[in-house]
Amino acid sequence: GAVVSQHPSRVICKSGTSVKIECRSLDFQATTMFWYRQFPKQSLMLMATSNEGSKATYEQGVEKDKFLINHASLTLSTLTVTSAHPEDSSFYICSARGHSAEAFFGQGTRLTVV
Amino acid sequence: KNEVEQSPQNLTAQEGEFITINCSYSVGISALHWLQQHPGGGIVSLFMLSSGKKKHGRLIATINIQEKHSSLHITASHPRDSAVYICAAFRDDKIIFGKGTRLHILP
Repeated sequence: GAVVSQHPSRVICKSGTSVKIECRSLDFQATTMFWYRQFPKQSLMLMATSNEGSKATYEQGVEKDKFLINHASLTLSTLTVTSAHPEDSSFYICSARGHSAEAFFGQGTRLTVV
Repeated sequence: KNEVEQSPQNLTAQEGEFITINCSYSVGISALHWLQQHPGGGIVSLFMLSSGKKKHGRLIATINIQEKHSSLHITASHPRDSAVYICAAFRDDKIIFGKGTRLHILP
C-alpha cells in the first residue's frame, strides 16, 4: 500500500526554539495533507488541512503563526512549530491523500519541549 | 454528542476471543476508515470502506450506510492485536475521528 514517511519520529527541543516536522508521500502524489495533534489518551485533533501549492486551512483555535505549514510539492508537507513551549509537547501526525478518498498516515512525531 | 461514536471505549479479552468494535456516525460521509494505533503512537490504516464488507487476514470490517454504522471484527484475537482502534469518517475534505477503543488481549 501507499507509504507516508514522517520525520523525525522523536524530537526534544529547548523552549523558544523552532522544530520542523516533515511528511512525505513516497509512492503517490498527495494533493491534500492533514496535520493532527494528539494528547495522551485522547483522540486525534485536526490542526490544519493543506492542498499543494495553496495556503493551509487551519482549524479554529490553532495559531497559524505558531504552527507553520508548507505544502510546496505533491510529495512533501512540513509543519514548523515556532518558538516552542512545553505546552506544545505532544504527538503530531500527518496524513496524506491523493485523488482517492483513502488517506495514509505517517508514523507520528513525539515532540518534547524542555 | 460527537459526530463519530465508538464503543466500547475499553475492551479486555482473552486470547482467541472474537472481538467486535462498533462505530456509529451521525453525518453523511464519503468513506470510513478503521485505523490501528500502537503504544508508540504510529498509525496503520486497516480498512477504508464505503459500502459492504472487507476482510484482511483475521480482520473484518463492515459498514451499513443506511444505519450509519460500521463494525470492526477480529477473529482468533492475539496479544499482538492489543492497540487502540480508531474509526475515522471522511466527510467533504475532513476526517472526523472517533475517540478510539483501547483493546487489550490477555495471553
